[in-house]
Formats: sequence, C-alpha cells, structure tokens
Amino acid sequence: NAGVTQTPKFQVLKTGQSMTLQCAQDMNHNSMYWYRQDPGMGLRLIYYSASEGTTDKGEVPNGYNVSRLNKREFSLRLESAAPSQTSVYFCASSPSRGGELFFGEGSRLTVL
Amino acid sequence: GENVEQHPSTLSVQEGDSAVIKCTYSDSASNYFPWYKQELGKRPQLIIDIRSNVGEKKDQRIAVTLNKTAKHFSLHITETQPEDSAVYFCAASNPFQGAQKLVFGQGTRLTINP
Repeated sequence: NAGVTQTPKFQVLKTGQSMTLQCAQDMNHNSMYWYRQDPGMGLRLIYYSASEGTTDKGEVPNGYNVSRLNKREFSLRLESAAPSQTSVYFCASSPSRGGELFFGEGSRLTVL
Repeated sequence: GENVEQHPSTLSVQEGDSAVIKCTYSDSASNYFPWYKQELGKRPQLIIDIRSNVGEKKDQRIAVTLNKTAKHFSLHITETQPEDSAVYFCAASNPFQGAQKLVFGQGTRLTINP
C-alpha cells in the first residue's frame, strides 16, 4: 500500500519549458489536491478535484493546469515555467469532505 | 476567502517544557481545524484535528483548543521531547466551498533543546 505517489521527486527547468507532475493514490479516495510550499508561506492550494471528472481552482491557480485522469490519478502541468514557480509541490488525497489529507513525498521544482 | 494567521513563526523550548502555537482564522463558516506536523524533508502529516462542535480535544501529550467566538485555536504540546522538533501548520476549512479546501497558516518551526 504505497499511499500517495508523486513523480518526479526533483526537476530543474529553464524558463519557458513545460512539464507535468504526476500523482497517483491507491487509497480509493474521492478528492485530490495540489499544493505548493514556499518558505514562510505555508502550503497554498493550487487546484483540487472533489471527485473524478471535476476540477476547481484553489488559491494560486495562475500558470497551472490540472487533469483528473481517473479516480487514482491527478496531474499538474506547467505550460511555460517561470522562476516564480520554483517551489516544493505536494499532491494530497482525502476520502471525503472534512477528512484527513494524505500527502505525497513532494516534488522539488527549480526554474532557472 | 479564508485567511489563517499563525504565531509564533519560530519557537524554542527546553525538553520537558510545554509549547503553545496559536492560530486565528477569518471565515466564521469554517468548522474543521487540523494541525499538521512536517519533519525536515518529509511530507506533512496530521497530528490532531478539531471540529467546531467541540471546544477541546486531547491525544496523549497533544491538545487543541478552539474558541469560535474569537475565531482562534491553539495547539498545546506538553512534556516536549526531541522528536517534537518540526514545523507545525494549522489549517481551517470552509465546508460550503466543496471538497477539503484547507487554508494553511504560515507554519511554526519548533525546536526542542535537550
């Protein structure tokens, strides 16, 4: 039982390049989330998916797109990376509204 | 939208002493308040949570209190141990905005001095 798995764990991009962060959960959770973590700013919600087939914007969605591929998988895409997107990205899932969030190990992204 | 403020940003206590971290929130409709612990280089993990229909919840050395009138909640750790050293995040959730849209505080770096 792996929980929430994110790939890649580390990535370096040049400004303007694109990339996709992959996330998969094996806990049969309905809801999935993407957060970014920056020093002194806590965790900020980028996008979330309340259930398969739905996605919604969070606090900081600009510059990102998401796809809920199926119940297990939720990907985050940066179409044209900017230095301001240098951060640690966490995927998470939860079984229901108000339930505990289970986080992946994080993906450290650097944009030069 | 919801805004969560957390204080202090850093906290250093002697082993065996107590630690208190405080958070305030802005949205009176929020009714779920979890606390997450993040060790260095690791993922955040839930340590305790409280819902607005209770004022206090305890789990061994950890307790959380909630004052809905004042819109603040606190984490209390008693008899601190070296393994309590970590960054702690409070969060709040408004249930009327869909799935678990947690808004996190800025975090408190807790250091336990032996």
